Amino acid sequence: AQTVTQSQPEMSVQEAETVTLSCTYDTSENNYYLFWYKQPPSRQMILVIRQEAYKQQNATENRFSVNFQKAAKSFSLKISDSQLGDTAMYFCAFNGGSQGNLIFGKGTKLSVKP
Amino acid sequence: NAGVMQNPRHLVRRRGQEARLRCSPMKGHSHVYWYRQLPEEGLKFMVYLQKENIIDESGMPKERFSAEFPKEGPSILRIQQVVRGDSAAYFCASSPRAGGQSSYNEQFFGPGTRLTVL
Repeated sequence: AQTVTQSQPEMSVQEAETVTLSCTYDTSENNYYLFWYKQPPSRQMILVIRQEAYKQQNATENRFSVNFQKAAKSFSLKISDSQLGDTAMYFCAFNGGSQGNLIFGKGTKLSVKP
Repeated sequence: NAGVMQNPRHLVRRRGQEARLRCSPMKGHSHVYWYRQLPEEGLKFMVYLQKENIIDESGMPKERFSAEFPKEGPSILRIQQVVRGDSAAYFCASSPRAGGQSSYNEQFFGPGTRLTVL
């Protein structure tokens, strides 16, 4: 079965510091896409960053970057210069379903402290 | 271009009642996914629909749950005879393209409907 595992239920970081959220996944596919979504208290799902599995270069979006290790099936998210507005649940996901549906991890609750 | 809309945002039902959740995809999108998020959990896929067709309902419970996406109007997720275990947030996401194994079709999420069963 295709699964996504986020081993850190909760994390905290001081404002302006850097934090890394972990994610591992299991799939037998060779081509797929990986995503990090942010869910603030409003519950809106916001796409933070995506990575194509066939690209070796790690994706970057402003303060957000990923460390994609395909052989290890690892996909961690690094948030630099953390801001109070980064406080949220973060979900790792990939499109492993036969119809492109997303498979999500259980999430990591990130708190940014002033 | 308005985003994905879901209503109601909050729905309270008593055990045994019916719940109807509506999802209006983004303009031009004819593909809809429904996901359920139980407390303290990630989102879990329920069903994938295109206009007038259910393509994949492998994540949806066989009993009491049904979904439709008519030619006109929003997609509807219907839960009959609700039980306390149905309490969750239900999200829909729309996409402009068909889904497929390992293909990228960006999904735009609505704000969710939080269902509470008393």
